[in-house]
Amino acid sequence: GAVVSQHPSRVICKSGTSVKIECRSLDFQATTMFWYRQFPKQSLMLMATSNEGSKATYEQGVEKDKFLINHASLTLSTLTVTSAHPEDSSFYICSARVKNTGELFFGEGSRLTVL
Amino acid sequence: AQKVTQAQTEISVVEKEDVTLDCVYETRDTTYYLFWYKQPPSGELVFLIRRNSFDEQNEISGRYSWNFQKSTSSFNFTITASQVVDSAVYFCALINNDMRFGAGTRLTVKP
Repeated sequence: GAVVSQHPSRVICKSGTSVKIECRSLDFQATTMFWYRQFPKQSLMLMATSNEGSKATYEQGVEKDKFLINHASLTLSTLTVTSAHPEDSSFYICSARVKNTGELFFGEGSRLTVL
Repeated sequence: AQKVTQAQTEISVVEKEDVTLDCVYETRDTTYYLFWYKQPPSGELVFLIRRNSFDEQNEISGRYSWNFQKSTSSFNFTITASQVVDSAVYFCALINNDMRFGAGTRLTVKP
């Protein structure tokens, strides 16, 4: 099946720094990529939807200046957590929708720990 | 508004028992997809099945089976003869223009 690569899988950073997470579709073009956040023992919460070449659409309550999403190409979307704080510590997962078929594939997830 | 409800927060069974995970959804769209994912302790999401809104045929894959009933807006998932390795959190999800997940059901299969 199609592969979505998410990097890094784990990152630890100091409070106040920015962290970038990449989501790549390795063998297909993705018209849309979704970013989710998951708190321990909770469901995935959709943060934003990004379409290639346009601005991301953020869900209510998600700070767009805090969580910068860029979808520069049909195979790459990035999530940057700016000025991270301990409350941003979470598991972040991306998914990519295949162009033409609409199938959806998930990345492996990135666990962010902010000290 | 779209919504996915997984009413069972946690289920615990003994190995070899059958178990059904419930999923009820709400949407005004006529075209949509329903998914089930497994999330083991390692955290990644494992795709199990995708069903489009026009295909109500039930599906069986090994020990897994799915019952899609549009009339009751349900897409239930049954594991037959459960095994310890089935222990995980299972998510039901609805997709049309965006994606909504249920809260997840934590399944524990005891030996």
